[in-house]
Formats: sequence, C-alpha cells, structure tokens
Amino acid sequence: KNQVEQSPQSLIILEGKNCTLQCNYTVSPFSNLRWYKQDTGRGPVSLTIMTFSENTKSNGRYTATLDADTKQSSLHITASQLSDSASYICVVSDRGSTLGRLYFGRGTQLTVWP
Amino acid sequence: EADIYQTPRYLVIGTGKKITLECSQTMGHDKMYWYQQDPGMELHLIHYSYGVNSTEKGDLSSESTVSRIRTEHFPLTLESARPSHTSQYLCASSESLLAGGPSTDTQYFGPGTRLTVL
Repeated sequence: KNQVEQSPQSLIILEGKNCTLQCNYTVSPFSNLRWYKQDTGRGPVSLTIMTFSENTKSNGRYTATLDADTKQSSLHITASQLSDSASYICVVSDRGSTLGRLYFGRGTQLTVWP
Repeated sequence: EADIYQTPRYLVIGTGKKITLECSQTMGHDKMYWYQQDPGMELHLIHYSYGVNSTEKGDLSSESTVSRIRTEHFPLTLESARPSHTSQYLCASSESLLAGGPSTDTQYFGPGTRLTVL
C-alpha cells in the first residue's frame, strides 16, 4: 500500500533554532517528492520539489534531502523564525499510470516560540 | 503568490441546504482539483478536471458534484448538506510542464473554505 508517514506529528522550538522534519514513504514507482508549507487557515504552498536523481534542494532557509534508496526525505529549517510556524506536508507522486497520483502525509505541525 | 481564489472562506449552514463553493484561477491552468482536509489529517482528492467539460471523481468518495464550463472556474456543489460534510475544502490548479498527469505538476492551492454543517 502506498503511504507517506511524517514525523514528528508536532514540534515546538525556540526562535533562531534549527529543526529537521522527517518523511518516509512507500510509494512506488516513485516520480517526485514535494514539501509544502500550510499556514493555519490557508492552502499549502510549495517549498521544494525533488526527483529521483536529486539528493538535496534548498529554498532560502529550507533545505530538503532525498534518499530514494531508503525512501526517506527530510526538511531542515535553519535559524527558525516566528513565521515558520505552520504545518509542513510531504507529498509523493507516483508514475504508475499516465495520469499519476499524489500521496499526502498528515503533516508536521511546527510551532516557533519567541 | 498564486492567483487562485475561493469563496466563501467560512460557511455555517443547516442540514439539508444546497451549497456551492466557488473556485476561480487567473493563471490559465487547464487542470483543477478539489481536496477535502480534516484537522490533523492528510488532504484527500475528491474531484479533478483536465479542462473544460472534463470532470473526474477523485480517490475519496464524495456526495458533492463539480462542473467545468469555463477554464478559470471550478465550482463544487452539495445538493443537501449534512454534518458529515463538515470539513475544509481546498481548490488547486496546475499547468503541465511535462507530458503526463498531475504527478508532474506543481499544484497551486487556494486559501480554502471552512464548511460547518449544523
């Protein structure tokens, strides 16, 4: 069964600290993996997208890694800010058909305290 | 900032009412989607469209219906709302950069409609 599991479910850190969020998936055949940020009461916004051949991709203070062999990805946030408080969602795409399909994780709820 | 809009943002209605959730995008995207999301849970695809006059049901069974008469507009309708329909509804759109389906596209999401049925 194709699944996307994220950990931790929730995380509280102090402003200025770094943190790492995890995503494990069983989706096969794999097409790409995205990290989205979803602020409370808003729609998700794409942060990064990585294909099979990419190991690392950065977007400002956000750095995503992908290990396609172990089917794991991480999102590292550097020097956290209050505005980083949000849910971070891992989304994996398959290429099992011409239409493709997206598999969503439940997200990690990050809270940054001053 | 994505140019995709949803109205209303919040809606509280009584059981049995007919409602339409509006979604529009000004990016000229061919593909549009409706997702349902409960608190702390993953997004579930309930409807999608590849273009005008194209609509398909998603992975999660839904009693709602959709229409796609214009490229920019993808409304979702519930003929008779029930408390079990209480949820957040997110609309998204995408433009294919490569040949293939939604797995190759980056989806841009609207702000969502929080629906509460009493």
